[in-house]
Amino acid sequence: NAGVTQTPKFRVLKTGQSMTLLCAQDMNHEYMYWYRQDPGMGLRLIHYSVGEGTTAKGEVPDGYNVSRLKKQNFLLGLESAAPSQTSVYFCASSYLRGSLFFGPGTRLTVL
Amino acid sequence: GIQVEQSPPDLILQEGANSTLRCNFSDSVNNLQWFHQNPWGQLINLFYIPSGTKQNGRLSATTVATERYSLLYISSSQTTDSGVYFCAVLNYGGATNKLIFGTGTLLAVQP
Repeated sequence: NAGVTQTPKFRVLKTGQSMTLLCAQDMNHEYMYWYRQDPGMGLRLIHYSVGEGTTAKGEVPDGYNVSRLKKQNFLLGLESAAPSQTSVYFCASSYLRGSLFFGPGTRLTVL
Repeated sequence: GIQVEQSPPDLILQEGANSTLRCNFSDSVNNLQWFHQNPWGQLINLFYIPSGTKQNGRLSATTVATERYSLLYISSSQTTDSGVYFCAVLNYGGATNKLIFGTGTLLAVQP
């Protein structure tokens, strides 16, 4: 089992460009999450999903969109990147009452 | 919402020493997890421990839910134990169905 995988691992964008981060999990988890981690701010929840076709806002959803068309995939989109979105992005998945498993992270820099 | 406090914020150990990390939370929880983020940024789930005691090798954890705290014990520390340790909590019956992360304990194990 690969667990939780993320694509890409690194990306540099210019302000105003768009991109999509892909998360995939092979553990049949219902719940999937996108977090961002910034120095001194800890882990902050952007969006999450409790099942295929559902999404919900977390603590810091502005500037991001998500989609969960398939149970195993959770996509995070940035429509118009801003320097404030420079961060490390982590995807995670879990059962409702179970351990949370994280992907390896995507380091995004917006110039 | 639930407040999560971890102590100490920083800890430096010599290899072979033991340590105890603490996580206090402000309300009742039915999901508590401990994570290790290594110096390369990878987040690993150590324990799912809403109550009771668990052990995994040199690591063990105890949660006393009635007193609203959890402890992570590291025995015979090794340099590979370095990194940040996070606890995260959730109350399924609460207003928010999302894990709340503490700010972490930064551990450095010196050879």
